[in-house]
Amino acid sequence: EAQVTQNPRYLITVTGKKLTVTCSQNMNHEYMSWYRQDPGLGLRQIYYSMNVEVTDKGDVPEGYKVSRKEKRNFPLILESPSPNQTSLYFCASSPPGQPYNEQFFGPGTRLTVL
Amino acid sequence: DAKTTQPPSMDCAEGRAANLPCNHSTISGNEYVYWYRQIHSQGPQYIIHGLKNNETNEMASLIITEDRKSSTLILPHATLRDTAVYYCIVRGRNVNTDKLIFGTGTRLQVFP
Repeated sequence: EAQVTQNPRYLITVTGKKLTVTCSQNMNHEYMSWYRQDPGLGLRQIYYSMNVEVTDKGDVPEGYKVSRKEKRNFPLILESPSPNQTSLYFCASSPPGQPYNEQFFGPGTRLTVL
Repeated sequence: DAKTTQPPSMDCAEGRAANLPCNHSTISGNEYVYWYRQIHSQGPQYIIHGLKNNETNEMASLIITEDRKSSTLILPHATLRDTAVYYCIVRGRNVNTDKLIFGTGTRLQVFP
């Protein structure tokens, strides 16, 4: 089944404890991105990647890192999480070469930073 | 990308057609209209998109006015599972990023 998977789905952590949220897609998509969703603010893009080894900042990149060492995976790294990073996170991917194609979203990761 | 305006909420009886409007008066010639929906707190799901012609797929129909300043998403026979937040997004061709800009959307409640 074509899908985007994220792990973990739920995470409660403490300030300053490094964490990684994994994202994987099995559709051979070149484009992948991370969004966060907060009440009243909608979904905002954090980082995106047009291809392997190519990443760039979205609208709210502060406090986050990403890497794209292989096409299928796009982990989101919080080196020193803070309470303002408590949010619902979504990974998305889309097919190559056509900016108009639909994006496929993962199921989401609900992160709480205490 | 042009801004969109949607009503915050709508109700629809199960089995009836749900018509969700969207205004995008500043849309430019090469911008498409996309619709996504988000059921509860799941990942957004693509529904349909169009440029200027009406479009239909297995999920919905998209009607775009001739001047392209507004559009309507039609769910022909709404079911309880269509209860969700529906987002209308206008998007231009940007080869540098595939970013979607989500507004606040329309919360559709389908009732029995």
